[in-house]
Amino acid sequence: QQQVKQSPQSLIVQKGGISIINCAYENTAFDYFPWYQQFPGKGPALLIAIRPDVSEKKEGRFTISFNKSAKQFSLHIMDSQPGDSATYFCAASPGYSSASKIIFGSGTRLSIRP
Amino acid sequence: DAGVIQSPRHEVTEMGQEVTLRCKPISGHNSLFWYRQTMMRGLELLIYFNNNVPIDDSGMPEDRFSAKMPNASFSTLKIQPSEPRDSAVYFCASSFLGGDYEQYFGPGTRLTVT
Repeated sequence: QQQVKQSPQSLIVQKGGISIINCAYENTAFDYFPWYQQFPGKGPALLIAIRPDVSEKKEGRFTISFNKSAKQFSLHIMDSQPGDSATYFCAASPGYSSASKIIFGSGTRLSIRP
Repeated sequence: DAGVIQSPRHEVTEMGQEVTLRCKPISGHNSLFWYRQTMMRGLELLIYFNNNVPIDDSGMPEDRFSAKMPNASFSTLKIQPSEPRDSAVYFCASSFLGGDYEQYFGPGTRLTVT
């Protein structure tokens, strides 16, 4: 119940295309869903996050879509650029009662072809 | 502002030796996390502290691993004795308990045990 399942494991997208990464969770107590981006040789960094009271959040070319009833959420990268090539982790937090623990998905290695 | 500081950045050691990884969280943060990242297992939470107190160490692989946080500005992760399967990148992250849950990751320590 603590798992966050992420797919695909790897993704190749042409420059200018849309990259889509999907995640699913089981624990309905999760109330915070961030996406982290990691470049080679660096630690993960927060990219964008959403709470379950909204169905979509957009920041520039990055959009999170959230489906509470299906317990699924996804990251869409519009107009994908070579600089977006990185590993992306979805994650979920079990809520304030569990303090600040975040459960990470297994990661998606995204490659944008020029 | 300085981010999370980890040392050393790279460590090569022989099987059976003691290894100590160090972390300085962002000033003012009161939650600290230790993660291990490998190709096979992804990003694993080993242990986390709130206000210098260990909250959840269920991710610590075995008794060879131990972590301490003697004060708000310093934590160590120790492996004794080290084994080749401990080879991984170890990340430290910090956040502000009661804030927006964002975790700030350090640059990581790449550990190689031969």
